[in-house]
Amino acid sequence: NAGVTQTPKFRVLKTGQSMTLLCAQDMNHEYMYWYRQDPGMGLRLIHYSVGEGTTAKGEVPDGYNVSRLKKQNFLLGLESAAPSQTSVYFCASSSTGYYGYTFGSGTRLTVV
Amino acid sequence: RKEVEQDPGPFNVPEGATVAFNCTYSNSASQSFFWYRQDCRKEPKLLMSVYSSGNEDGRFTAQLNRASQYISLLIRDSKLSDSATYLCVVNNRGNEKLTFGTGTRLTIIP
Repeated sequence: NAGVTQTPKFRVLKTGQSMTLLCAQDMNHEYMYWYRQDPGMGLRLIHYSVGEGTTAKGEVPDGYNVSRLKKQNFLLGLESAAPSQTSVYFCASSSTGYYGYTFGSGTRLTVV
Repeated sequence: RKEVEQDPGPFNVPEGATVAFNCTYSNSASQSFFWYRQDCRKEPKLLMSVYSSGNEDGRFTAQLNRASQYISLLIRDSKLSDSATYLCVVNNRGNEKLTFGTGTRLTIIP
């Protein structure tokens, strides 16, 4: 019963480097989400997907890209990392889009 | 104005006491309401849904006031294990995503 798995758990990047965060869920959920969490800002939605092959922008999409080629996976890409992208990133999935979000354990990213 | 507003706290409460948090939301089209709990450096987890008639789950009681657009969470007989950040969460009608408040931090003191 893995639920939602995020990899990696920790990463340090230099400014300008790129990376991809992977989110995998084994609950056959249609909806998947990427959030970032910063002190005092709460959880802010970056991008989300309502099904395989779909993506949509959230509240803070700039500097990020996403892909959902397979229903179980949702990838978040940073093409050219900036210090402002230092944050904790959470992936979540849901069967309904509004209830019972299951979150991954998070990725702590530091951009220096 | 933020869509969901919470008092960030911290609330420092002695063990066994009753504590209540409020949360206000700005969109009158909001239709689903939840409280999530987040422990330090962990992911958020659903604590309970909030229904119009109010609902209880053990020591926890959630209430919704649509007219005033606020949600409350009451914790009775607080335990040390209740120490966490409590997130107020809403969903707007026709929307496929949740909006999270910034959270209220609670510390239960022995």
